[in-house]
Amino acid sequence: GENVEQHPSTLSVQEGDSAVIKCTYSDSASNYFPWYKQELGKRPQLIIDIRSNVGEKKDQRIAVTLNKTAKHFSLHITETQPEDSAVYFCAVHIIQGAQKLVFGQGTRLTINP
Amino acid sequence: NAGVTQTPKFRILKIGQSMTLQCAQDMNHNYMYWYRQDPGMGLKLIYYSVGAGITDKGEVPNGYNVSRSTTEDFPLRLELAAPSQTSVYFCAANEGRAISGNTIYFGEGSWLTVV
Repeated sequence: GENVEQHPSTLSVQEGDSAVIKCTYSDSASNYFPWYKQELGKRPQLIIDIRSNVGEKKDQRIAVTLNKTAKHFSLHITETQPEDSAVYFCAVHIIQGAQKLVFGQGTRLTINP
Repeated sequence: NAGVTQTPKFRILKIGQSMTLQCAQDMNHNYMYWYRQDPGMGLKLIYYSVGAGITDKGEVPNGYNVSRSTTEDFPLRLELAAPSQTSVYFCAANEGRAISGNTIYFGEGSWLTVV
């Protein structure tokens, strides 16, 4: 099955600095790559996604880059703020057979004031 | 439009008991999923359904059963609960368009403890 590796598992940055989380995947047919943010005790919420025909997508302080050749994609958060502290999950959309999302292991991001 | 609704939110079960986690969606989405999330871990797919009457196993189906008699409902049944099933369970739904993938909407989660 699809293997999604996410790094790092924990990340601590100073407020105002940038944070980068990276995911690699194995199935070259995958075509949709969302990122989810999960605050403590809450459900995962979609924050940004990218499709395979695009190399980069930006939404205010958040951006995602995709390298289909190397099979990796990254989440970039700039000018980090305390409310960015959460667990972030990448996911890969599997299209072979029935559709489903396979999630990375998660990154616990802590923003230090 | 409530999205995806799960009940109960919290439950404590004794070893060997059975229970059903309810999930309903009002978005008329074809695809529904059950994930479990162990403490400090990612989401693992238990079962999924591509439409009424169709279900299939995910990564961790052992100890669970599902049914999908209607588009709206996708209950998850735990038979003979075990401590290893202590987890947070998330139901989710998406439209299931084949070409480009769609946003997956999660329910608020059900916290289950087996003692």
